[in-house]
Amino acid sequence: NAGVMQNPRHLVRRRGQEARLRCSPMKGHSHVYWYRQLPEEGLKFMVYLQKENIIDESGMPKERFSAEFPKEGPSILRIQQVVRGDSAAYFCASSPGQEGQPQHFGDGTRLSIL
Amino acid sequence: AQSVAQPEDQVNVAEGNPLTVKCTYSVSGNPYLFWYVQYPNRGLQFLLKYITGDNLVKGSYGFEAEFNKSQTSFHLKKPSALVSDSALYFCAVSSWRDDKIIFGKGTRLHILP
Repeated sequence: NAGVMQNPRHLVRRRGQEARLRCSPMKGHSHVYWYRQLPEEGLKFMVYLQKENIIDESGMPKERFSAEFPKEGPSILRIQQVVRGDSAAYFCASSPGQEGQPQHFGDGTRLSIL
Repeated sequence: AQSVAQPEDQVNVAEGNPLTVKCTYSVSGNPYLFWYVQYPNRGLQFLLKYITGDNLVKGSYGFEAEFNKSQTSFHLKKPSALVSDSALYFCAVSSWRDDKIIFGKGTRLHILP
C-alpha cells in the first residue's frame, strides 16, 4: 500500500516564478492537509481539503497561495510569484476523515527560491 | 480553542536510560492525542494515539505514552533509549468537536552514546 506521495521532493524556483506542489493521498483517504515547516521549527497548518472542497484555509496567506483537491488527480498547492521567504519544506498529510484517526504524512517538497 | 504545548525544545538522554518527552494539551471535550516522530529530510511518522480506554498507550519502536486527564498531559516515554531514537518529536491533539489536528512545536531528542 503506497503511502502519501509528494512530488517533486525538491523544487528550485527563481523569484517571481510559480511553484506547484503535488500530493497524492493514501488509498482510501479523502481528506488532505498541507503544512509548512521552516528549518528547526514546527509545523504550520495551511489548508484542509476534501474532494473538490476547501474545508479550512485559515493558515493560508491571503495572496499568492492557493490549493485544490480535484475529483480526479492529486491535490495541488500553488504558489504564484514566489519570494525568498517562501523557501521551506511543504508537507502534505491525508486521513480517512474519521473521528480520532491520525494523519499520515508524505516526505515533503523542499522549495528553494533563488 | 484546542492547543498543545511541548515545554522542552530539546531533551538529552544517555543511551540505555529511560526517556520522557513532555506534552500538555487544552481541548473542549474528550481529547484525541497523538505522537509523531520526524527524522531528517522525512515527513512525520505516526507513533501512537490515545482515543479512549487504558491511560497507557503502547506504540511503535518501544514507545509508550500515558494519558493523565487531571494534569491534561500525554507524556511520551521509553524505558531504555537508543541512539537511533534521536529525532524531532511532535505531540498533537484533536477532538470530536474539531477534527483538525493541532501540533506542538516539537521537541528535539538527543540520545548520547
